[in-house]
Amino acid sequence: QVQLVESGGGVVQSGRSLRLSCATSGFVFRNYGLDWVRQAPGKGLEWVAGISTNGSPMYADCVKGRFTISRDNSKNTLYLQMISLRTEDTAVYYCAPDEKMGAFENWGQGTLVTVSP
Amino acid sequence: QSALTQPASVSGSPGQSIAISCTGTSSDVGGYNYVSWYQQHPGKAPKLMIYDVSIRPSGVSNRFSGSKSGNTASLTISGLQAEDEADYYCISYTSSTTFVFGTGTKVTVL
Repeated sequence: QVQLVESGGGVVQSGRSLRLSCATSGFVFRNYGLDWVRQAPGKGLEWVAGISTNGSPMYADCVKGRFTISRDNSKNTLYLQMISLRTEDTAVYYCAPDEKMGAFENWGQGTLVTVSP
Repeated sequence: QSALTQPASVSGSPGQSIAISCTGTSSDVGGYNYVSWYQQHPGKAPKLMIYDVSIRPSGVSNRFSGSKSGNTASLTISGLQAEDEADYYCISYTSSTTFVFGTGTKVTVL
């Protein structure tokens, strides 16, 4: 079955950087677009970034220029490089394969990023 | 990229039907048939309930249905059950080739 394991979260000071990883298995990784979705504590879901099968990235306005999404098809792994972190980036970050234009049928357990002032 | 507008809360008694709206613009909800709906229980990952406006993934109860009219999509839950109490989110593809979630709706079963 599909497995998604996010890692790399932690506590970091505002302005610093962090790289998240999402190790996957159970599906043909190279055939899927992949996305990052986050959820701040007690808040709603927010789409952060996505990457197509050919590697084209897309970003929410609030992270454009600060976050970089990438994929390694040889390792079946998705990444999110985050720089210039802000307190408002504090959230649980989930990765999800895009089954069909925003239809995320499988989710990992998420990794918590906490940005301190 | 403003979040799609959903009511903060909707409630109903067991057995009743409720509808949750998701209002966007012609650049997102109104422009594409790529609206999905998610159910999220506290402390759990979201669960896909509807995609492409009205298609139910395998295993999702037929009590859940989706529709769209103009810039507003809707999720209807019929025969409301206690287990349906959760947060619900819509998401739409946008003309910027991005996605945008709704503000979220808390469903309470009275």
